[in-house]
Amino acid sequence: DVKVTQSSRYLVKRTGEKVFLECVQDMDHENMFWYRQDPGLGLRLIYFSYDVKMKEKGDIPEGYSVSREKKERFSLILESASTNQTSMYLCASSWGQGNTEAFFGQGTRLTVV
Amino acid sequence: DQQVKQNSPSLSVQEGRISILNCDYTNSMFDYFLWYKKYPAEGPTFLISISSIKDKNEDGRFTVFLNKSAKHLSLHIVPSQPGDSAVYFCAASRTYSGGGADGLTFGKGTHLIIQP
Repeated sequence: DVKVTQSSRYLVKRTGEKVFLECVQDMDHENMFWYRQDPGLGLRLIYFSYDVKMKEKGDIPEGYSVSREKKERFSLILESASTNQTSMYLCASSWGQGNTEAFFGQGTRLTVV
Repeated sequence: DQQVKQNSPSLSVQEGRISILNCDYTNSMFDYFLWYKKYPAEGPTFLISISSIKDKNEDGRFTVFLNKSAKHLSLHIVPSQPGDSAVYFCAASRTYSGGGADGLTFGKGTHLIIQP
């Protein structure tokens, strides 16, 4: 059974803090993604990675960075958290070749106060 | 600029009837389309997909139709059941010449409510 695991379900952080969101997949997928979901806006792609140490900006990368040191792990970093980064963050992974579905983690609800 | 559009934020359907969720896209380079279902406080789960070389794909109660000329796809759920109440997201992607694909582009979602 495929599994994408996000390290936290709920997080509360203070404005200005550096925040790390961790994601691990056990399917040996090449591609990994970070999305955020906001009411009325759907899912928006922040960053994705198609290989270890590779990263590509998505649609809304500002204020975020990512790290992929190992194939199974993809981290999202909020350099200096702000209240407008309060959101549901979703990690996903997929096979590298061709069109396939992406598998999602359970999500991390981040609140920045 | 929104490349994948779901123009109905919500849809209410009686149990046992057909639910039809619609999606439009603007990017003609998209060649793979997916539907995801999402419950509150959970990640989206994959439902069904269709390649641009097809116009229909079925999986049990779920059927997706693709009209490439109109850049339109729809998800039919027959018969609708109470457990189908969720937010449904339409998504699209494209492949590149090397065979790779980038991230999925999602619509804003449609909240389907199945009435008993």
